[in-house]
Amino acid sequence: DIQLTQSPSFLSASVGDTVTITCRASLGIGMYLAWYQQKPGKGPRLLIYVSSTLQNGVPSRFSGSGSGAQFTLTISSLQPEDFATYYCQQLNSYPYTFGQGTKLEIK
Amino acid sequence: EVQLVESGGGLVQPGGSLRLSCAASGFTFTNFWMNWVRQAPGKGLEWVATIKKDGSEKYYVDSVKGRFTISRDNAKNSLFLQMNSLTADDTAFYYCASGLEHVFFNSWGQGTLVAVSS
Repeated sequence: DIQLTQSPSFLSASVGDTVTITCRASLGIGMYLAWYQQKPGKGPRLLIYVSSTLQNGVPSRFSGSGSGAQFTLTISSLQPEDFATYYCQQLNSYPYTFGQGTKLEIK
Repeated sequence: EVQLVESGGGLVQPGGSLRLSCAASGFTFTNFWMNWVRQAPGKGLEWVATIKKDGSEKYYVDSVKGRFTISRDNAKNSLFLQMNSLTADDTAFYYCASGLEHVFFNSWGQGTLVAVSS
């Protein structure tokens, strides 16, 4: 199975900051990586797919990059509604797997 | 508006069974693969199962193979998860999600809680 490791697991930042979350895969997965945002009590929301494609309706301050085994999610100019937990997911092969999550908190 | 609404969760004893349902609306159900993902309280996401648009292919995480069965009724825009031989490790919120194979899970429900306890 392909393991995904996110770093950091916790991140403290202020409104207006730019933050980057990294997702490393145990094997190369091409560009078959998606990013999700989850808020308490809600289902996840798709942000980015195939590494860097922004889902319709997602603000342009979210961006993704990477290929192979290392990927990043960058959030520029953090807004209050961005404080949430973020997950990466590989869809290269079954079993699909998720990273352990990165909780973004307000400093 | 796209909606995915899960139902069927509840409290069940170890070894028991439960059938989850997911009602889909607001999109062309037959254009999408469908998925179940679970999340133990306070923990991360775990992919559980995926079914192809026409139901001809199904995939499962190893921990549920032989116990869980994913199915769909395209005439009723519905997704199901039959769960047998439940254990405490299956306690989680269960989400249904639409998607495309190897691309994304683009829409998610609000989840239904399955609690396995004596």
